[in-house]
Amino acid sequence: GENVEQHPSTLSVQEGDSAVIKCTYSDSASNYFPWYKQELGKRPQLIIDIRSNVGEKKDQRIAVTLNKTAKHFSLHITETQPEDSAVYFCAASGSNYQLIWGAGTKLIIKP
Amino acid sequence: SQTIHQWPATLVQPVGSPLSLECTVEGTSNPNLYWYRQAAGRGLQLLFYSVGIGQISSEVPQNLSASRPQDRQFILSSKKLLLSDSGFYLCASRGGVNNEQFFGPGTRLTVL
Repeated sequence: GENVEQHPSTLSVQEGDSAVIKCTYSDSASNYFPWYKQELGKRPQLIIDIRSNVGEKKDQRIAVTLNKTAKHFSLHITETQPEDSAVYFCAASGSNYQLIWGAGTKLIIKP
Repeated sequence: SQTIHQWPATLVQPVGSPLSLECTVEGTSNPNLYWYRQAAGRGLQLLFYSVGIGQISSEVPQNLSASRPQDRQFILSSKKLLLSDSGFYLCASRGGVNNEQFFGPGTRLTVL
């Protein structure tokens, strides 16, 4: 079945620097790739998503890139701020309208 | 936009006791609904999903069950809780033209 691998599991960056989280997927039929942010004790919230007919999408300080040939996609956060500290999950669309989830990346922003 | 309600927010139950968690959705009709469990510091484990009333698919064999008695109501149950059932239970609803899922606020279950 579909599998999504996410790296790194923990990422620590200096405030103001950029952060990059990478995911790979196995099912070439996947056509939708969302990213969620989960703050401690709260629900995951959608922050950005991309469909397979687009290579890059940007929303202020966050961007997602997709390489369909290599079957990987990445989240880029620029000018990181303390409020960016959270766990980030990637996902890829699977069968029956399911999402196949990555294991998560804990992003730590150092002051 | 849709709103997802879950209750209770927090629950402490003894081993062997029953469980009933409820999820209701507003602002959409005939949604696909999902139950996830998240252990402390871990990822999202899909437990059940439903594409319509009375239609339940189980992803992981366990002592939990789910039911969908109404279009916008999804219930997670257990007859006898285990210690390993502790976790953060999230209900989600699929919305829009994509497969994006929106999550409820979750129920934090501790089994003692």
